[in-house]
Amino acid sequence: AQRVTQPEKLLSVFKGAPVELKCNYSYSGSPELFWYVQYSRQRLQLLLRHISRESIKGFTADLNKGETSFHLKKPFAQEEDSAMYYCALLASGGSYIPTFGRGTSLIVHP
Amino acid sequence: SQTIHQWPATLVQPVGSPLSLECTVEGTSNPNLYWYRQAAGRGLQLLFYSVGIGQISSEVPQNLSASRPQDRQFILSSKKLLLSDSGFYLCASGTDGYEQYFGPGTRLTVT
Repeated sequence: AQRVTQPEKLLSVFKGAPVELKCNYSYSGSPELFWYVQYSRQRLQLLLRHISRESIKGFTADLNKGETSFHLKKPFAQEEDSAMYYCALLASGGSYIPTFGRGTSLIVHP
Repeated sequence: SQTIHQWPATLVQPVGSPLSLECTVEGTSNPNLYWYRQAAGRGLQLLFYSVGIGQISSEVPQNLSASRPQDRQFILSSKKLLLSDSGFYLCASGTDGYEQYFGPGTRLTVT
């Protein structure tokens, strides 16, 4: 069975500081990995997925199969990045049941 | 892209009363549909999912049930609410191997 671990419930940084939200997974195959974000009073939405290799709102995430990690990074945090972030995994082969981490609340102070 | 509608947005119900939360999807056909409960610090708990009309799978045995009467309609129900059913319920839509789209959620308070 797959598992997604986000070790930090809360991450607090100051504006302009680098931020890294950790995500580790347990899965024997090749996973599809996602980061979802939920801003205050908004619906949960996709931020990025590893296969697209995009930078969204300055965030990037690299899949490290050796360390089974998919950490979300941004070099300079902004106040508007304050939100709840969830890492999620889909098993390979067209799975449709995602496994979500417990989420990390990011607070960016002015 | 897909748009997920949920209603009501908030609901306060007494213990023992019935429940019906509705979710509809626009912008796609034959989606996989999901009901989650979101709790602070506990992430998203998958309650039910459906891969087609009338096909419901339950992930967590509990006081709730789900139905899918139409391709893009998903309903979460209960015959008799418990205090422990209070929470924030999310409906989501997805396609095999791809990301999910979420509704705005329903805040249920059982008193």
